[in-house]
Amino acid sequence: QKEVEQDPGPLSVPEGAIVSLNCTYSNSAFQYFMWYRQYSRKGPELLMYTYSSGNKEDGRFTAQVDKSSKYISLFIRDSQPSDSATYLCAMSRSGAGSYQLTFGKGTKLSVIP
Amino acid sequence: GAVVSQHPSWVICKSGTSVKIECRSLDFQATTMFWYRQFPKQSLMLMATSNEGSKATYEQGVEKDKFLINHASLTLSTLTVTSAHPEDSSFYICSAGGSGEGVYGYTFGSGTRLTVV
Repeated sequence: QKEVEQDPGPLSVPEGAIVSLNCTYSNSAFQYFMWYRQYSRKGPELLMYTYSSGNKEDGRFTAQVDKSSKYISLFIRDSQPSDSATYLCAMSRSGAGSYQLTFGKGTKLSVIP
Repeated sequence: GAVVSQHPSWVICKSGTSVKIECRSLDFQATTMFWYRQFPKQSLMLMATSNEGSKATYEQGVEKDKFLINHASLTLSTLTVTSAHPEDSSFYICSAGGSGEGVYGYTFGSGTRLTVV
């Protein structure tokens, strides 16, 4: 079993839809959870950064962490064509920048106008 | 916010030559730099971790003599692909980690697309 599992998709939704992206993980030591957006041929861009369980909202994006189920989600409201990208979940045992991240495979999202 | 500059953004080189990729943290001190490789439609594969002033730690299966990493200062790390071959063609991405907690720990460069012909 891989440490982090993420459905690679592709996921295609109409503009304005609510998008739900998910990852599961097996290592209970993970405490910090991140979501990155990666456009084609670009580096990943940090979208959300959360610690432990709970919800965090930033504009149209909401990140949820359920440590009891080892399950994290990213919700995108009112999705736009500009949201079309690959979304990577990542997690770490520590929030210190010196700790490496463990990534999911990424989910490719297409938002159709 | 935290900015990591990586260049070149793309490079084409001949087989057998060496290529250097630079990664700079512009507005924070990066005590740790991570180098990743990404194949098409795949996730990021960690190649090595480098701490300023010390030797890099390579992941299993990554040839340290082929992928030379230098992290001589708190703002600059370089990856040199030596004697490049077509199978080294890939997308290379760096990320910079600060000494403290927070989002500054996980900022990525824009990536370098290497094509070896």
